[in-house]
Amino acid sequence: DVKVTQSSRYLVKRTGEKVFLECVQDMDHENMFWYRQDPGLGLRLIYFSYDVKMKEKGDIPEGYSVSREKKERFSLILESASTNQTSMYLCASSYTSTGTSGNTIYFGEGSWLTVV
Amino acid sequence: AQSVTQLDSHVSVSEGTPVLLRCNYSSSYSPSLFWYVQHPNKGLQLLLKYTSAATLVKGINGFEAEFKKSETSFHLTKPSAHMSDAAEYFCVVSGVWGSARQLTFGSGTQLTVLP
Repeated sequence: DVKVTQSSRYLVKRTGEKVFLECVQDMDHENMFWYRQDPGLGLRLIYFSYDVKMKEKGDIPEGYSVSREKKERFSLILESASTNQTSMYLCASSYTSTGTSGNTIYFGEGSWLTVV
Repeated sequence: AQSVTQLDSHVSVSEGTPVLLRCNYSSSYSPSLFWYVQHPNKGLQLLLKYTSAATLVKGINGFEAEFKKSETSFHLTKPSAHMSDAAEYFCVVSGVWGSARQLTFGSGTQLTVLP
């Protein structure tokens, strides 16, 4: 089974702190993603990466950065946390499909971040 | 461009009765379609996916979905609901083959199962 592991499930941080959310996948997937999930807004893509050291902005990248130094690891960084970044953060990964099998995305368990 | 509409934000059924969660999509390409389930405080788990091989797709835990191109629908069904099925369900469309960027999530349907 594919495993996507988010090391921190619950975090409480202060406004202005630098926050790191770590994600590791064990299936040699090319693609990795960070989403945030908020009530009434659904899942929104923050950043994704399609290869080591490669990244692309999603729909809501402001206030976030990412790092992918190794294929299996994708980190989300909040340079200066703010209260409006309180949310559930979901990491995901997938293969790049060029055929008919589709891009099945596998999700981690989520990280609940509260910024006070 | 592509979009996904989950027609019901909340569905409530009694245990042992059928489940129907509705999803309509639009896509400029031949899409892949997925259903995911999310239990409270958990990530999203894949239930099933359609990738043009067969229009009736069987998934885990007794769920299945039928792709109907003429109706642009991909409704999720289960013959008999269990209490453990109570969760939020997301319909997802993936448009361009090989593109990680082209994923669109529905807004979710919260399923309640009554004893």
